[in-house]
This record gives sequence, structure tokens and C-alpha cells, in this order.
Amino acid sequence: DGGITQSPKYLFRKEGQNVTLSCEQNLNHDAMYWYRQDPGQGLRLIYYSQIVNDFQKGDIAEGYSVSREKKESFPLTVTSAQKNPTAFYLCASSNRGRETQYFGPGTRLLVL
Amino acid sequence: QKEVEQNSGPLSVPEGAIASLNCTYSDRVSQSFFWYRQYSGKSPELIMSIYSNGDKEDGRFTAQLNKASQYVSLLIRDSQPSDSATYLCAVKDSGYALNFGKGTSLLVTP
Repeated sequence: DGGITQSPKYLFRKEGQNVTLSCEQNLNHDAMYWYRQDPGQGLRLIYYSQIVNDFQKGDIAEGYSVSREKKESFPLTVTSAQKNPTAFYLCASSNRGRETQYFGPGTRLLVL
Repeated sequence: QKEVEQNSGPLSVPEGAIASLNCTYSDRVSQSFFWYRQYSGKSPELIMSIYSNGDKEDGRFTAQLNKASQYVSLLIRDSQPSDSATYLCAVKDSGYALNFGKGTSLLVTP
């Protein structure tokens, strides 16, 4: 059953804490993306990766970090430098050379 | 700044009617256009993609693109209460990422 999985579904962060959101895909897609969605807002790009071991900053990369060590996985770390992390985080993937992006179910991050 | 504009709504239509959702974009070199549906608390799911001027039909959905006017729309025929959701317009230029509008909330009333 192919698709994109994200975990956890809900994540609580304490002040000063780094947290990592997981994104895994078994679609054999080359490209993966992280978006942030705030209430009533569109999706904003945090980071994207076209191939393994390479990634690029999006529009709002400050306070976030990523890695792409495997084709299937693109974890996102929300660092303590991100002062307003409460949002719905969405991971997406696409085939290289094709533009259609497919989304995982999302992780909702809340600050304690 | 590449902007994608949508009327936030809510757009209310009666069951069985045609819902018309509109989107304008600022980047003239945009090449690919997408409509996603997002139910409350869920992630976006792809409805339609369109790449060339004109209409593209898929079941009850029709996407319309006019690059000269920088305008893309989505028509939903025979609207059903299950179509009630937020519809996101996304535009891709020559780069890798999508630029999203804020979405239009659609409410289909029985």
C-alpha cells in the first residue's frame, strides 16, 4: 500500500526543546517537501529536497533543519530558535520531472 | 513575491448547483496549476492539474486556465454536501515548489 506517512499525528513541544517530525514515503519519489500551514493560511514552504543528500531552503526555513540520508525519509527538526512553532506540518513528495505533489496526513505541533 | 489569490469565502451553494472557485496568480512564467481539496483537520488531496489554456474535465470537476489573464478556476457540477471543504489553488513556476493560495471555503447546503 503506497503512500506517505507522517508521525506523530500530534506533538507537544516544551519551550527550548528541539523536536523532530518524521516523514516516510514508499512511492519511490525523488523529491520531498515540508510545508507549514497556519489557521486560515495557505501552505508555506519550509524546505525541499530533490535528491538524497541535497536539500534547499524554502520561504520560511529559519528555526528549522532537515536531512535527506535516504530516498524514503525526510525528517524535519523544529529547533528552539523557532519562536512560533504551533502549526500544522505537511510533508509532500513528487516524482522528479513531474510536478504533482502528494501530501501525507500531517503532524499538528503544539507548544506547552 | 509570487502571489496566488483566492476569495476566502465562504462560498455557499445549494446541493445540485454548480460551484465556481476562482484563483489569480501574479507570476507570468507559471507553468502548472493544481487544485487541492482540504477537509477540516486533514491534509490536502489533489483534485485536478492543468497545464495548458482551456478546459480540463474529470467527472464532476472542470478546471479552466487562461494564462493571458493569469486566471485559473474550478467548477464543481452537481455539488454535494460531501464537497464542503476548503479548496486550495497551487501554482508552480519553473522552480521546484508550489505557491499556494489561502483557499476558498465551500459550503454545500442540502
